Amino acid sequence: QKEVEQNSGPLSVPEGAIASLNCTYSDRGSQSFFWYRQYSGKSPELIMSIYSNGDKEDGRFTAQLNKASQYVSLLIRDSQPSDSATYLCAVNKGNTPLVFGKGTRLSVIA
Amino acid sequence: GAGVSQTPSNKVTEKGKYVELRCDPISGHTALYWYRQSLGQGPEFLIYFQGTGAADDSGLPNDRFFAVRPEGSVSTLKIQRTERGDSAVYLCASSFSLATDTQYFGPGTRLTVL
Repeated sequence: QKEVEQNSGPLSVPEGAIASLNCTYSDRGSQSFFWYRQYSGKSPELIMSIYSNGDKEDGRFTAQLNKASQYVSLLIRDSQPSDSATYLCAVNKGNTPLVFGKGTRLSVIA
Repeated sequence: GAGVSQTPSNKVTEKGKYVELRCDPISGHTALYWYRQSLGQGPEFLIYFQGTGAADDSGLPNDRFFAVRPEGSVSTLKIQRTERGDSAVYLCASSFSLATDTQYFGPGTRLTVL
């Protein structure tokens, strides 16, 4: 079982819809959870971090964490074509390197 | 301020050659990380430094890979006897300290081994 699993997609949503991206992780000791966005040919860019159970909202983005289910998700409201990218889920145990999933490719159709 | 920078942006080399990839972290960041990303995959951890010392090099795939950070700022990833399987994007990231989780990535070096 991979440490961090994501559906590779592509996930296609119409402009204005909610995009829901999911991630599961295997290490129950994981403490910190991140969502990075990566445009084609570019480096990852941090968009959200979450550390405790529940929801965390930042503009059109909401991260959700459920440690009991070892599940973290990212919701993007009012999706825009500019949101089309690969979204990487990453976890760590504090002072350790990030462990990334393969990423989910999101395509927002105008 | 300036972000993480990496040079060169692209490197094409022949199988068996030696290459060096450079990373200049954000000023003041003591933690520096190297990752490798192959096509269609997420970044894969190679090594990280706290200051001048390698805190964890467990991700280096074999002894052909080595990294240094002699003055606690700029780091160089060195690959000896390159193989075609080394072709990937090599990403560097830095964070303020090991106690701070947010890592900021550089633009990467695309290495192609012919």
